[in-house]
Amino acid sequence: EAGVTQSPRYAVLQEGQAVSFWCDPISGHDTLYWYQQPRDQGPQLLVYFRDEAVIDNSQLPSDRFSAVRPKGTNSTLKIQSAKQGDTATYLCASSRDWGYEQYFGPGTRLTVL
Amino acid sequence: GEQVEQLPSILRVQEGSSASINCTYENSASNYFPWYKQEPGENPKLIIDIRSNMERKQTQGLIVLLDKKAKRFSLHITDTQPGDSAMYFCAANPDSNNRIFFGDGTQLVVKP
Repeated sequence: EAGVTQSPRYAVLQEGQAVSFWCDPISGHDTLYWYQQPRDQGPQLLVYFRDEAVIDNSQLPSDRFSAVRPKGTNSTLKIQSAKQGDTATYLCASSRDWGYEQYFGPGTRLTVL
Repeated sequence: GEQVEQLPSILRVQEGSSASINCTYENSASNYFPWYKQEPGENPKLIIDIRSNMERKQTQGLIVLLDKKAKRFSLHITDTQPGDSAMYFCAANPDSNNRIFFGDGTQLVVKP
């Protein structure tokens, strides 16, 4: 089966610019996760969805970050006004609703100058 | 939530020897403990996992141990090869919502 796909793979921004990341989960996976992975750290959960509903977005900086999954399939994560501290790799993962194993996409490496 | 501590941060071993990575967690409700391997520029890939109803699991040169009383779990790689060199992350799942919380990783370097 095809894996989780993400685009773009890389992004370089100036502070204050906006950027969107796109994720296509594995077909049939109801649950989709967005993680932020700073350099030399483990992934940190930002938000996750079951179908189109947000289950937990408590770690999402809501003043600048937003995430949607309108049809319960693809998802978009947007940073409204990027800061240097947002520099990280943004990983998308998906899993079957009843299972635990999460499959990760290749990530988007963001650099904010 | 959950807080996962992982040690060591860097581990250098000689090819053919074994390597051990240790993690601790805080939330006694955690019931699922996956291990991921991440190579440079690649996504994390699940290599082995263990659930709270088990104390030991083994697959293809990997052994995971779980001590629920001590809230500790560990990964042991036997007969390491240069291809095992990568970043390894432990993680814990504290609830039924499928959230997992990662440690900060161990950089394993296997010297030929």
